[in-house]
Amino acid sequence: AQSVTQLGSHVSVSEGALVLLRCNYSSSVPPYLFWYVQYPNQGLQLLLKYTSAATLVKGINGFEAEFKKSETSFHLTKPSAHMSDAAEYFCAVSDLPGGGYNKLIFGAGTRLAVHP
Amino acid sequence: GAVVSQHPSRVICKSGTSVKIECRSLDFQATTMFWYRQFPKKSLMLMATSNEGSKATYEQGVEKDKFLINHASLTLSTLTVTSAHPEDSSFYICSARDVVLAGSTDTQYFGPGTRLTVL
Repeated sequence: AQSVTQLGSHVSVSEGALVLLRCNYSSSVPPYLFWYVQYPNQGLQLLLKYTSAATLVKGINGFEAEFKKSETSFHLTKPSAHMSDAAEYFCAVSDLPGGGYNKLIFGAGTRLAVHP
Repeated sequence: GAVVSQHPSRVICKSGTSVKIECRSLDFQATTMFWYRQFPKKSLMLMATSNEGSKATYEQGVEKDKFLINHASLTLSTLTVTSAHPEDSSFYICSARDVVLAGSTDTQYFGPGTRLTVL
């Protein structure tokens, strides 16, 4: 069965600093992996997704993530944090990639705080 | 891009009443929609998978008779919380899977959520 572990429920960085949000997955099949962002009282917005193409995936708002099969990781990074990046970030793995309906398994989430 | 709407965005109701939440895919057709529940400062918990024209598939521990799901068209799914109680208060989020792109991107698009408060 698929699962996702996000290390660190809270991450705090200074504005302009590197953002690193960690995600490790467990999957018995080649996974589809996703990062979503959630602002307060809003739904989830897709940041980026890995679907077995390039291992380095670029998303919106300057975020990118690298799929590392050997480490079963899909960490999210951004070179320079902005105040507007403060939000909750969720990593997710797809239950049935490439067929059937995809049931997303979410990690517990990481709250990113950005301070001046 | 793919847009999913939910209505209402917030609802307050009295204990014992029923509340209906709508989820619409605005610019694409969705044979499959998903309903999630999110507790404060927690992750999303999948409640059920809604397939157009057929019965919803509920996750273990989710009461079918309490959370009624109807997916009558390719652009609309509804979640009805029946006989609501304070413990049903939560943030309910739906998502929809794009039929056209599903095979290639396997991506869900999320609605903005509905905040339900049961007094």
